[in-house]
Amino acid sequence: NAGVTQTPKFQVLKTGQSMTLQCAQDMNHNSMYWYRQDPGMGLRLIYYSASEGTTDKGEVPNGYNVSRLNKREFSLRLESAAPSQTSVYFCASSRDPLTDTQYFGPGTRLTVL
Amino acid sequence: GESVGLHLPTLSVQEGDNSIINCAYSNSASDYFIWYKQESGKGPQFIIDIRSNMDKRQGQRVTVLLNKTVKHLSLQIAATQPGDSAVYFCAQTGAGSYQLTFGKGTKLSVIP
Repeated sequence: NAGVTQTPKFQVLKTGQSMTLQCAQDMNHNSMYWYRQDPGMGLRLIYYSASEGTTDKGEVPNGYNVSRLNKREFSLRLESAAPSQTSVYFCASSRDPLTDTQYFGPGTRLTVL
Repeated sequence: GESVGLHLPTLSVQEGDNSIINCAYSNSASDYFIWYKQESGKGPQFIIDIRSNMDKRQGQRVTVLLNKTVKHLSLQIAATQPGDSAVYFCAQTGAGSYQLTFGKGTKLSVIP
């Protein structure tokens, strides 16, 4: 099992450009999550999908959209990138949404110039 | 609002010694607590978890202690090894919430 995979690993964007971060899991988990991590800080939840077909906002959703494409895949889109979105983005998945361990991918390091 | 914080931002220990990493939390309604380890350039890795109906749980070389009275969580690592060097995060869920709230992390450095 690969667990949680993310693409790309690195990305540099100019302000105003758009892009989609991809995430897939092969653990048959129901729930998936997108976090961002800024230097010296813990992870903050952007969006999550408790189950296939549902998505909800987390702590910092502004400037992002998500799509739960199927049970395996959960993508994060930046429609018009801003320098404040420079961060490391992590995708995670868990069997259940409420009280189950979340397993994280390796991250995407995004720089917006 | 919810907050999860750490008493010590950095911790240096000698190889072979025991390490204790502490975490304070504010949401007394939380029912699930987790410790994650994050090595440089990698995603957080699950270490151990504990439910609110327990006060202690042991894994391989790690023990998590939960004191709900003072809202304190700790991670104990026995016989610390160089491979334990990383940033450690505590996290909790809120009651009925899908969201994990993470602390800012403690950096553990193991001195050979």
